[in-house]
Amino acid sequence: DAKTTQPPSMDCAEGRAANLPCNHSTISGNEYVYWYRQIHSQGPQYIIHGLKNNETNEMASLIITEDRKSSTLILPHATLRDTAVYYCIVRSRSGSARQLTFGSGTQLTVLP
Amino acid sequence: DTAVSQTPKYLVTQMGNDKSIKCEQNLGHDTMYWYKQDSKKFLKIMFSYNNKELIINETVPNRFSPKSPDKAHLNLHINSLELGDSAVYFCASSQEAGGELFFGEGSRLTVL
Repeated sequence: DAKTTQPPSMDCAEGRAANLPCNHSTISGNEYVYWYRQIHSQGPQYIIHGLKNNETNEMASLIITEDRKSSTLILPHATLRDTAVYYCIVRSRSGSARQLTFGSGTQLTVLP
Repeated sequence: DTAVSQTPKYLVTQMGNDKSIKCEQNLGHDTMYWYKQDSKKFLKIMFSYNNKELIINETVPNRFSPKSPDKAHLNLHINSLELGDSAVYFCASSQEAGGELFFGEGSRLTVL
């Protein structure tokens, strides 16, 4: 049973904002939303996480809806190096093993 | 300095052989993990250790045996290799169980 749903692929023009959606309608109150990305042939890289407030760091912003059933990862000025598979996962701090498995993610392609 | 390092990066071997993949993290983290990424690109948790103690063993055949000599190392030994074991294996660590994950670059295993 999938905890998150993401579109399989998206394109974005270089220099524009990339908005990656994630649905997690069955999220529990103690579960965080985490985003990772995997650039081809590399290990996954942590991007950001949040519980219910919006979060921002040097890589991205995370917008979580008020009902927490969906979120959007925003890369404000996408570059070619942001082309990667982006994974959204939900888990609690004492998460079960199942919560540690990543789904198929969204393949983001940044176009020149 | 590499935070999470795995060796070897590539491993090609025959069916029935026994092989090991080593992982070391210099982040001072308490928890380490092994993940398997198959051809469909799903990242599946296999094992997790916290302070050298096994805390997650996710329905992995007992041909796979993790060993943690200290909290900075988590090695993966695989006996009697099968074709289906061909995959990329990622090691990861986190400050605590449930924290954000830091991944190594992966070890691509090919069983012929």
